[in-house]
Amino acid sequence: TQLLEQSPQFLSIQEGENLTVYCNSSSVFSSLQWYRQEPGEGPVLLVTVVTGGEVKKLKRLTFQFGDARKDSSLHITAAQPGDTGLYLCADTAIGQNFVFGPGTRLSVLP
Amino acid sequence: GAGVSQSPSNKVTEKGKDVELRCDPISGHTALYWYRQRLGQGLEFLIYFQGNSAPDKSGLPSDRFSAERTGGSVSTLTIQRTQQEDSAVYLCASSLAVNGAGTFYEQYFGPGTRLTVT
Repeated sequence: TQLLEQSPQFLSIQEGENLTVYCNSSSVFSSLQWYRQEPGEGPVLLVTVVTGGEVKKLKRLTFQFGDARKDSSLHITAAQPGDTGLYLCADTAIGQNFVFGPGTRLSVLP
Repeated sequence: GAGVSQSPSNKVTEKGKDVELRCDPISGHTALYWYRQRLGQGLEFLIYFQGNSAPDKSGLPSDRFSAERTGGSVSTLTIQRTQQEDSAVYLCASSLAVNGAGTFYEQYFGPGTRLTVT
């Protein structure tokens, strides 16, 4: 059974700071998706990465997929209060259910 | 267009009662998923439906949990004889299809139903 770990579990920073959160898998990802979930809402997809070593940028967010496709990082530059939420990584296995990590809960203070 | 909707948004029930949670997926989406999210935790897969195929029930935690999807659209998650440990947010998601070789689909989530068992 695949296990996903995310670190840190909690992160509280000031507006304007940079941060990185991590996702690690016990086995190779089929593909990896990052979601953000705001309080009282369902998760919303941020990005899908498929190829080892892939880097994707979404405004102030940079996603990296490890060469061995077993880990990923999400870097946020100049964090804003609107970035507050639960960041979830998920393996999107072919023909199977999605496996989600436990999430990193980010709080950006103004 | 309309997103995934779930009802009720909140449900408080007494231990031992049965509850039904409803999910209306995005029109045309053939795959539908149910997840459970306990307070402060990540998503726990429960069940998914893909078209007319038999559902993958591998995540259902006990035989008190069941789900059906009528006409390939609306889905209902039923929890019988609720227990306090069933208290959680139940999230539904839909996608165009399940992932295939080289093709990965986004899941669109509803806002969830917050279930509290007293």
